[in-house]
Order: sequence, then structure tokens, then C-alpha cells
Amino acid sequence: AQSVTQPDIHITVSEGASLELRCNYSYGATPYLFWYVQSPGQGLQLLLKYFSGDTLVQGIKGFEAEFKRSQSSFNLRKPSVHWSDAAEYFCAVGGASGGSYIPTFGRGTSLIVHP
Amino acid sequence: DTEVTQTPKHLVMGMTNKKSLKCEQHMGHRAMYWYKQKAKKPPELMFVYSYEKLSINESVPSRFSPECPNSSLLNLHLHALQPEDSALYLCASSQEMRIPTDTQYFGPGTRLTVL
Repeated sequence: AQSVTQPDIHITVSEGASLELRCNYSYGATPYLFWYVQSPGQGLQLLLKYFSGDTLVQGIKGFEAEFKRSQSSFNLRKPSVHWSDAAEYFCAVGGASGGSYIPTFGRGTSLIVHP
Repeated sequence: DTEVTQTPKHLVMGMTNKKSLKCEQHMGHRAMYWYKQKAKKPPELMFVYSYEKLSINESVPSRFSPECPNSSLLNLHLHALQPEDSALYLCASSQEMRIPTDTQYFGPGTRLTVL
């Protein structure tokens, strides 16, 4: 079965600074990887996903993520953070389990943006 | 269009009440999901419908009763809930849960408070 680790519960950055959120996965075969963002009281919005091909994936809102198989990582990055990026970020991995590919979510990382 | 809609947005109910949550998608997706999410936690899978049949029940108490009247609609009937059931209830849909590249799209959620 697959699993996801988001080592950072909280990350604090200043507006305009760069951002990297860490995600490590465990899965024996090719993983299917996702990043979602959740603003307070809202649903989860898909930022980007990786299935195969180019290991640097571009998403919405200026986010990108890089798949590194050797490190079992799929870290999310943004070059310049905006105050509106303050939210909860979830990494998820999909893999075959019981005949389905329902993703497993990490515990989330809360992003705090200082002005 | 990747929109999943949920009604109501907020719901307050007593422990003896019966209420229902509604979810709708018009993307032609054949898998629909109910998740429960507590504050600062990842979503927890409750039920999955695939092609309008209940496919997964994650040992959810019987006071929660899902229903899938057609391929676009998903309901969650609530009866005799407990205060600990207060949470954000998220609906999601995806094209087909048995394909590796399946991607879930989430609704905005229903904030449920049980008094």
C-alpha cells in the first residue's frame, strides 16, 4: 500500500519569498502524485499532478513540482509567494490498492504568509 | 469544467434530526466519493460509488447512509448523529477509479455542526 509523508506541519514565509513544501511517498511501482490546496472552509483544489514524462510539472497559480524517483519525493515550489497563497497544502499518491487507484493523502502542511 | 457542487454550505442539526447532504457533478464522471474532514487533518474516505453502485464503505457508522440516485448525483443521509460527527463533509468525483491516471475533483464541502 502507498503512503505519503509531509514532514512539515507548518511553514512560514514572507510575502515575495520563495517556497518549497516537501512531500515523500512510499510506493513500490510507478506513483501517481498530486498536490491539492485548501483555503479555510473550502474544498480541495487540484494544483498539479504527475503521472509520467517530464519530471518538472507546472500547475496553476504559479506552482510547480519536481518528481525525484531516487529520493521518493515530489516537492512543491513557488518562486514568489503571495498573501493569498496562505492555505493548507496536501500531497497525495495514487497507486493500485484493492482494484482502485484512490489516492492516499498526506497530513497536510499549513502555509503562513507574513506581509 | 471541473465543478462539483454541494448543498447546503452549512448545516446545523440536533442529534435527533434527519438531514441530507447533496452533491452534483456534470463532468460525466463515474466515480463519486464522500470524505469527512476534521480541522487541520487530511480528508478521510467514507464511501465510494462506482457506476452508481456502492463500491467502498470504510466501516462508516450506519447513522450515515449514502445514496447515488443517478450518475450525476450523490446524497448522504444523516440520522441520529453525534457531536463528534461535526466536520467538513467533502464530495469528490473522478472519471473512473480503476484507471491509474484517475484524478479526483472536490466540491466546496458542507460544514456540519451537530448540537
